[in-house]
Amino acid sequence: AQSVTQLDSQVPVFEEAPVELRCNYSSSVSVYLFWYVQYPNQGLQLLLKYLSGSTLVKGINGFEAEFNKSQTSFHLRKPSVHISDTAEYFCAVILTGGGNKLTFGTGTQLKVEL
Amino acid sequence: DTEVTQTPKHLVMGMTNKKSLKCEQHMGHRAMYWYKQKAKKPPELMFVYSYEKLSINESVPSRFSPECPNSSLLNLHLHALQPEDSALYLCASSPRGQGLGATNEKLFFGSGTQLSVL
Repeated sequence: AQSVTQLDSQVPVFEEAPVELRCNYSSSVSVYLFWYVQYPNQGLQLLLKYLSGSTLVKGINGFEAEFNKSQTSFHLRKPSVHISDTAEYFCAVILTGGGNKLTFGTGTQLKVEL
Repeated sequence: DTEVTQTPKHLVMGMTNKKSLKCEQHMGHRAMYWYKQKAKKPPELMFVYSYEKLSINESVPSRFSPECPNSSLLNLHLHALQPEDSALYLCASSPRGQGLGATNEKLFFGSGTQLSVL
């Protein structure tokens, strides 16, 4: 079965600093990878997804992620964060041809401080 | 209209009560989902309806009963819940329900119903 690991439960960062949120996946077959953001008291919103092709994926709000098959990673990055980026970030995986069932990681709380 | 609307936003119920959660979307999406999210945890899939038919049931206890009366509406009927069922219940929809790996397929989430079972 596929799974994702988000090693950092919390990441504090100062405003305008760069940030990287780590995600590693485990699967013996090809997967699709996703990053979702959840703002307080809201549902989840898709930031970006990797299906195939270019390993560097650009998403909304200035975020990007790089798929690295050899390291089984899909880390999320932003060169300069804003206070409004404070939220919970979830990495998720689905097997190629795996239908509608996403498997989420445990989440990383990004806290942007002034 | 690009929203998934969930009502009520908050619900407190006793273990003997019967209540329903409602989810509505008017984007013409053909797949609708229920997720359960405990505090500080990731969402867990409960049910998926595709073209108004139940396609996934993640071994959810029968005290949770989903219903999809039409393509725009999804209900979750609750009966004899336990305190450990207290959680945020999220509804989502996706355009075609053909698999979230398809290029133009993505989940649109509502803001959830915060359920407390006393």
